[in-house]
Amino acid sequence: SQTIHQWPATLVQPVGSPLSLECTVEGTSNPNLYWYRQAAGRGLQLLFYSVGIGQISSEVPQNLSASRPQDRQFILSSKKLLLSDSGFYLCAWSRGYSDGYTFGSGTRLTVV
Amino acid sequence: GESVGLHLPTLSVQEGDNSIINCAYSNSASDYFIWYKQESGKGPQFIIDIRSNMDKRQGQRVTVLLNKTVKHLSLQIAATQPGDSAVYFCAENPSTGNQFYFGTGTSLTVIP
Repeated sequence: SQTIHQWPATLVQPVGSPLSLECTVEGTSNPNLYWYRQAAGRGLQLLFYSVGIGQISSEVPQNLSASRPQDRQFILSSKKLLLSDSGFYLCAWSRGYSDGYTFGSGTRLTVV
Repeated sequence: GESVGLHLPTLSVQEGDNSIINCAYSNSASDYFIWYKQESGKGPQFIIDIRSNMDKRQGQRVTVLLNKTVKHLSLQIAATQPGDSAVYFCAENPSTGNQFYFGTGTSLTVIP
């Protein structure tokens, strides 16, 4: 069966520090991978998606970047965090565009 | 982006009653819809899905209804239990797109 791992679960970082969140999927190959951000009391905002190694599409301009160095690994990064980067970050995978997503357990990021 | 809106941001129901959560979508080309349940501090979990060639689909204690004429989706939960307390998101996938669009969510509280 397929599983998705996301870590860390919680993170407190000072403004201006770098960020690296990692997501890995097991039990499948060539998944579509997604990074979402969820502000408190809000919906899910798509940040990045990837259909293959090295292929990244960005949905909104921001202080973040994403990379896919391996087929089942998706990394969300920032060189310098802003207060506004605080939120709940979710990684998800799907087999294809029209298939449902399976989400990871999320990372609660607080920038102080 | 697409607009997937929910009629009620919060809903409180008595344990044992039936719950109905509504969702309006804007893209008539959307052909696949999913309801997700998100418990506090966790990632969304798949509940039930429906494709546009159907108007009703039933699962265990849950039913999704799709009205394509008015672009409306609903989730019915029978005999609501305290464990059903969560935020519920609807998501639509336009047939011409490459991602799902999520609504803001409805927070369901079950009163024992």
